[in-house]
Amino acid sequence: GAVVSQHPSWVICKSGTSVKIECRSLDFQATTMFWYRQFPKQSLMLMATSNEGSKATYEQGVEKDKFLINHASLTLSTLTVTSAHPEDSSFYICSASDRVFATNEKLFFGSGTQLSVL
Amino acid sequence: SQKIEQNSEALNIQEGKTATLTCNYTNYSPAYLQWYRQDPGRGPVFLLLIRENEKEKRKERLKVTFDTTLKQSLFHITASQPADSATYLCALPTPPSGNTGKLIFGQGTTLQVKP
Repeated sequence: GAVVSQHPSWVICKSGTSVKIECRSLDFQATTMFWYRQFPKQSLMLMATSNEGSKATYEQGVEKDKFLINHASLTLSTLTVTSAHPEDSSFYICSASDRVFATNEKLFFGSGTQLSVL
Repeated sequence: SQKIEQNSEALNIQEGKTATLTCNYTNYSPAYLQWYRQDPGRGPVFLLLIRENEKEKRKERLKVTFDTTLKQSLFHITASQPADSATYLCALPTPPSGNTGKLIFGQGTTLQVKP
């Protein structure tokens, strides 16, 4: 099946610094990628939709200047948490849709990034 | 807006028994419904998709039902094994047509299969 690689798997940073998370589709081209955030024992919450070659679409309540998304190629999307604060500590997960799957029905998820902001 | 409800309490069963997990939604009926498995500290893994015109779908030891009248899906694992222990997530497309790839997830039900 399709593989989505997410890096790093965990990161610890100081408050005020920025952290970049990469999401790569390894064996397929992804025109659309999604970024989710998950707090302990809670559901995945969709943060934004990343489209190759265009601006990301953010969900209501998600600050676009805080969570910068770049989808520069069909295989790579990045999420940068700018000026991170302890409340940004969470599990961030990306997912991608195989462009062959024209209806975008099945998503392939990365392994997630655990961000801890001190 | 759509709300998805899964039993937040963990489900503990004995190995070999059938596990049944419930997913209820409150608003519109979606074009399809998906089930994912998530292990601790990992991303979800797709298991099954069932469409609105399908009542039942099977894949090996897994069976999913979809009742659009009750707004409910049931997820069954037969002959359960300790390796089936994980959190199982129900997901619906938004908008309901499912043509954007956006999904909303339930909070998941944790299954523990004891040997």
